[in-house]
Amino acid sequence: EDKVVQSPLSLVVHEGDTVTLNCSYEVTNFRSLLWYKQEKKAPTFLFMLTSSGIEKKSGRLSSILDKKELSSILNITATQTGDSAIYLCAVNSGNTPLVFGKGTRLSVIA
Amino acid sequence: EAQVTQNPRYLITVTGKKLTVTCSQNMNHEYMSWYRQDPGLGLRQIYYSMNVEVTDKGDVPEGYKVSRKEKRNFPLILESPSPNQTSLYFCASSPRGFEQFFGPGTRLTVL
Repeated sequence: EDKVVQSPLSLVVHEGDTVTLNCSYEVTNFRSLLWYKQEKKAPTFLFMLTSSGIEKKSGRLSSILDKKELSSILNITATQTGDSAIYLCAVNSGNTPLVFGKGTRLSVIA
Repeated sequence: EAQVTQNPRYLITVTGKKLTVTCSQNMNHEYMSWYRQDPGLGLRQIYYSMNVEVTDKGDVPEGYKVSRKEKRNFPLILESPSPNQTSLYFCASSPRGFEQFFGPGTRLTVL
């Protein structure tokens, strides 16, 4: 059975801190790994990763995939209160839609 | 505007009264899915469809039905809702192998 595990489940940091969120997976026929941000509504897409070692960046957020370790990290530098959200990791494996992890709830306090 | 729409957005109902949550996408996507989201359990897939007339069970299909008669629509049917189906429901669509686009969510309460 395909599985995606995120850690930590919950995290509280101060504004300006850097955070690293982890995602590990066990899936057959891996195609891609995706990160989403969910605030008080539907998840919104952040990154899609397919190749090991290639960092994707968007402003203060970046992510990288390690296919050897079956994992990915999402980094957020200089955090702001607007980064407070649930961050979801999902894996696309073959012919079925995404398998999601339970998410990491990030709270950034001023 | 490319989007996934769901209706209703909020629904309070009573045990046993059949209901349907509609989902529609205007992006001509092949894949569509239904998820429920509960605190501490994350997003769990209920059913998915990879094309018209093709549907498959996800992780938590019990108590739900779906149909995919047209590419754009993927309704979720609760024949006899129970309180344990109180949840936040998301419909999503995607082209094959790419990121999913989520609808705005339907918050369902079953009394």
